[in-house]
Amino acid sequence: AQRVTQPEKLLSVFKGAPVELKCNYSYSGSPELFWYVQYSRQRLQLLLRHISRESIKGFTADLNKGETSFHLKKPFAQEEDSAMYYCALLSGNTPLVFGKGTRLSVIA
Amino acid sequence: KAGVTQTPRYLIKTRGQQVTLSCSPISGHRSVSWYQQTPGQGLQFLFEYFSETQRNKGNFPGRFSGRQFSNSRSEMNVSTLELGDSALYLCASSPRGDGRGYTFGSGTRLTVV
Repeated sequence: AQRVTQPEKLLSVFKGAPVELKCNYSYSGSPELFWYVQYSRQRLQLLLRHISRESIKGFTADLNKGETSFHLKKPFAQEEDSAMYYCALLSGNTPLVFGKGTRLSVIA
Repeated sequence: KAGVTQTPRYLIKTRGQQVTLSCSPISGHRSVSWYQQTPGQGLQFLFEYFSETQRNKGNFPGRFSGRQFSNSRSEMNVSTLELGDSALYLCASSPRGDGRGYTFGSGTRLTVV
């Protein structure tokens, strides 16, 4: 069965420091990976997807099939990045599977 | 265009009661998925409907059920409520139901006392 693991429940960094939110998955096929973000009092929304290979709000994520990881990175954290981040996996016709989330707190 | 609308926003129920939550998807979206969000478990999949048919179901007891109407609006029902059912219930709509174009609603916060 597919599984998404986000090992950190809470990650605190100082403003301007690099950020890396970890995501590991288990799936034997070729998955699609996503990062979703939920800011305080806002809806859960898509941040980025690995097939797009894009940078959104300075965040990037690279799919590493060898390590089955899809870590989210940003070189310089901003206070407005504070939010709950969820990694999610899509495979075949199964529904989107989410990790338990990591709360990012950026300290001024 | 209007986003995904979930009603009501908040509910307080007592144990043993039943509850019905509603989700109106984005116009033109034929797929509606439901998730339960809790601090400890994150988002757990409940079920997905596409064109009035349930296509996928998560590992929840039979007390959790749902349906979708011809206008794509969806309802989920929880019977015989338990304290552990307290959660934020999220609905997501997508055009094709392939999990790639999810747009989430604001959720319904259910508290069981």
